[in-house]
Amino acid sequence: DADVTQTPRNRITKTGKRIMLECSQTKGHDRMYWYRQDPGLGLRLIYYSFDVKDINKGEISDGYSVSRQAQAKFSLSLESAIPNQTALYFCATSDTGTGSADTQYFGPGTRLTVL
Amino acid sequence: EDQVTQSPEALRLQEGESSSLNCSYTVSGLRGLFWYRQDPGKGPEFLFTLYSAGEEKEKERLKATLTKKESFLHITAPKPEDSATYLCAVRTTGGGNKLTFGTGTQLKVEL
Repeated sequence: DADVTQTPRNRITKTGKRIMLECSQTKGHDRMYWYRQDPGLGLRLIYYSFDVKDINKGEISDGYSVSRQAQAKFSLSLESAIPNQTALYFCATSDTGTGSADTQYFGPGTRLTVL
Repeated sequence: EDQVTQSPEALRLQEGESSSLNCSYTVSGLRGLFWYRQDPGKGPEFLFTLYSAGEEKEKERLKATLTKKESFLHITAPKPEDSATYLCAVRTTGGGNKLTFGTGTQLKVEL
């Protein structure tokens, strides 16, 4: 089984709809992240969480919110989806600590299309 | 502002034709440079972390090196299964655990 899973894998929705993307991990990591990937722009950080009680904004958090329901679960919500939120969304995890423990491991991604 | 630039954007090689991918960076203070491989429709797969200039890491046909300004991913005698997009990312002293990614090099290895 995959260490980091994301649901759904593909989603098509309409402008103005509320959407939730879910991420679960079995790696036992404390830290979880949400990124989006757009052609020509690379991966950009939306939100990150260092533990259940710690939520931080990334570089492009406007229009998004997150919930850390448990150590293993981190959800990303689009309260009112708009077309320029069409992108690939990735969840990632990393372990607490320094050195090699800060490596981030990515899930398989969710392809979101907002019409 | 931290910047990561990868070149070339795309590279086409014949099987067995060795080459290098470049990742140049401008950061306030480097805490780690990461290489990932990404196949179409999949999430990035971790390859290497480099922490200081002069460091080298190897895995099968891949070798990553680091200087104070750039990193190279050397691919020796590539095979078609090495075809993928290779991403470089940096973690900096002022960035917490945030990774700044380059836009990637799309590698295609042909028979």
